Amino acid sequence: EVHLVESGGNLVQPGRSLRLSCAASGFNFGDSAMHWVRQGPGKGLEWVSGISWNSGSVNYADSVKGRFTISRDNAKNSLFLQMNSLRTEDTAFYYCAKSSGTSWYGVRYFDYWGQGILVTVSS
Amino acid sequence: QSVLTQPPSVSSAPGQKVIISCSGTTSNIGNNYVSWYQQLPGTAPKLLIYDNDQRPSGIPDRFSGSKSGTSATLGITGLQTGDEADYYCGTWDGSLRAGVFGGGTKLTVV
Repeated sequence: EVHLVESGGNLVQPGRSLRLSCAASGFNFGDSAMHWVRQGPGKGLEWVSGISWNSGSVNYADSVKGRFTISRDNAKNSLFLQMNSLRTEDTAFYYCAKSSGTSWYGVRYFDYWGQGILVTVSS
Repeated sequence: QSVLTQPPSVSSAPGQKVIISCSGTTSNIGNNYVSWYQQLPGTAPKLLIYDNDQRPSGIPDRFSGSKSGTSATLGITGLQTGDEADYYCGTWDGSLRAGVFGGGTKLTVV
């Protein structure tokens, strides 16, 4: 059974940094593209970032480009999101999601999601 | 403002049918597969439909998807109170080079 478990969420002040982690199990993590998707309070889903199976290619939503960095450690079945220069509008539940295929490009669907972790940016 | 357009809410009675629409452009729905996600209150999204009209294992055939041109629809028959949830459509946008979602549709079964 596929499990994705996020951690690292917290309350942080604007301008500070936070690192999210996602522990994966139940599938061949090293063969799958992975993503972060967020959901602001009372809002819809927003794709944040994606990374290819071998970390060779990554991409970001314009809203986080230059501030967030996605990475992965296939040896440890883990996905990460380094979030710098956080803004109040980054407040959201952050979901780790697996997609079909090995590349983030052209993602067809997200077949498994973590339970989500809350990041609150406030002074 | 979401890239894909969904109605904010729909409602119907138990046992009845409902259709949720999702509208996009040639940059997204028109040239890519559509997926649908169910988000029950307080839980993570769950894949309901992929590749326009395919159901993952374990999803009942009460749920169906279709796509035509730059629009897609999710159909739910035999509505149950347990179907009350937010439903999101999603696809790839080639111009944005990003995954995109609709704003979500809240289904009420009354």
